[in-house]
Amino acid sequence: AQTVTQSQPEMSVQEAETVTLSCTYDTSESDYYLFWYKQPPSRQMILVIRQEAYKQQNATENRFSVNFQKAAKSFSLKISDSQLGDAAMYFCAYRSLDMNRDDKIIFGKGTRLHILP
Amino acid sequence: NAGVTQTPKFRILKIGQSMTLQCTQDMNHNYMYWYRQDPGMGLKLIYYSVGAGITDKGEVPNGYNVSRSTTEDFPLRLELAAPSQTSVYFCASSRDTDTQYFGPGTRLTVL
Repeated sequence: AQTVTQSQPEMSVQEAETVTLSCTYDTSESDYYLFWYKQPPSRQMILVIRQEAYKQQNATENRFSVNFQKAAKSFSLKISDSQLGDAAMYFCAYRSLDMNRDDKIIFGKGTRLHILP
Repeated sequence: NAGVTQTPKFRILKIGQSMTLQCTQDMNHNYMYWYRQDPGMGLKLIYYSVGAGITDKGEVPNGYNVSRSTTEDFPLRLELAAPSQTSVYFCASSRDTDTQYFGPGTRLTVL
């Protein structure tokens, strides 16, 4: 079965600093998608960044970037120049391209990020 | 831009009651999903649909039913509500097996 592990339940970072959230996953598939979602106190799930496994280049969206290590099955999120609005729960998610699997979409348990002013 | 809308936002049910959570999307997405999020946990997939008339089970389908008669709507039905179904429910949609867009969630309490 596919799994997603976020080993840091909570993290804190000083405003304007850089923080890295870790995510590891387990799969026997060679092609898949990986995502980071942000869930602020409003509970809305907001896509932060996505990565296609067949692409070696790490995805980047403004202050957000990932370090995708396919062989190590690692997908960490780096937030640069942290802002107060970045405070939220962050979820790492795996998506199989095989919709016949029961475990086609798996979310980690999340990392709560606090931004210190 | 409505995106994915869910109703109601909050609901309290008594054990054994039934209800339908509504989900509508206006992006003409083929794929739609229902998730539940328990406290301190990530989302778990309940049911999904790849198009009108086609639905299939996710990880945790027991106690729920869905239908997809139109592209836009994907209601989730709870029959005989149980305390274990107390959770936050999210509906999502996607164009294909790519990025999902989520609704604002429904907080359900079963007493």
